[in-house]
Amino acid sequence: DSGVTQTPKHLITATGQRVTLRCSPRSGDLSVYWYQQSLDQGLQFLIQYYNGEERAKGNILERFSAQQFPDLHSELNLSSLELGDSALYFCASSPVGTFYDNEQFFGPGTRLTVL
Amino acid sequence: DAKTTQPNSMESNEEEPVHLPCNHSTISGTDYIHWYRQLPSQGPEYVIHGLTSNVNNRMASLAIAEDRKSSTLILHRATLRDAAVYYCILRVPNSGNTPLVFGKGTRLSVIA
Repeated sequence: DSGVTQTPKHLITATGQRVTLRCSPRSGDLSVYWYQQSLDQGLQFLIQYYNGEERAKGNILERFSAQQFPDLHSELNLSSLELGDSALYFCASSPVGTFYDNEQFFGPGTRLTVL
Repeated sequence: DAKTTQPNSMESNEEEPVHLPCNHSTISGTDYIHWYRQLPSQGPEYVIHGLTSNVNNRMASLAIAEDRKSSTLILHRATLRDAAVYYCILRVPNSGNTPLVFGKGTRLSVIA
């Protein structure tokens, strides 16, 4: 158990819909990362938040957005869903600081299926 | 981050050592070599990292070539539970709070 929790575990929805994925980082970790894993693209970084502020952006679509709340949990919002958005979405957290050897701790993921 | 090259897949017998190679010929002098693995239906997990010297921990050993252009993750006795995709990732110094860049990794199968 990494200490990072994600809900829900599975999500099935239809094209055009909007969903929210939730992540609670490890206690004390200020950084939260979102990654998407699809069969054809592999694991790709979407977005990072650090203590409530957006820190880095990766290959995140404009239809996707995220935020980190004062209690440090984070939500990833996916809207106008398309079939190609079906994937595993992972959240990760890392400790405070900019040390080279900060490992990231990953949650169990949310499997999104868009029908 | 500099690029790494890993074999797509490898196979090992249970309880035998496994050597997972990673080539990183464009590594800079200060890049750290990190390994993560992803077990089936789970998120990635950290395995080990190093800079120049060989490293050991409870999960594995990391052997780094003298010229640092390649490294090898060593699992001393593979178990069925070690079947996973193993990712070799280079990290610049002070990048602890930056995203990881995953390649395709090596899919390790362990045969009983």
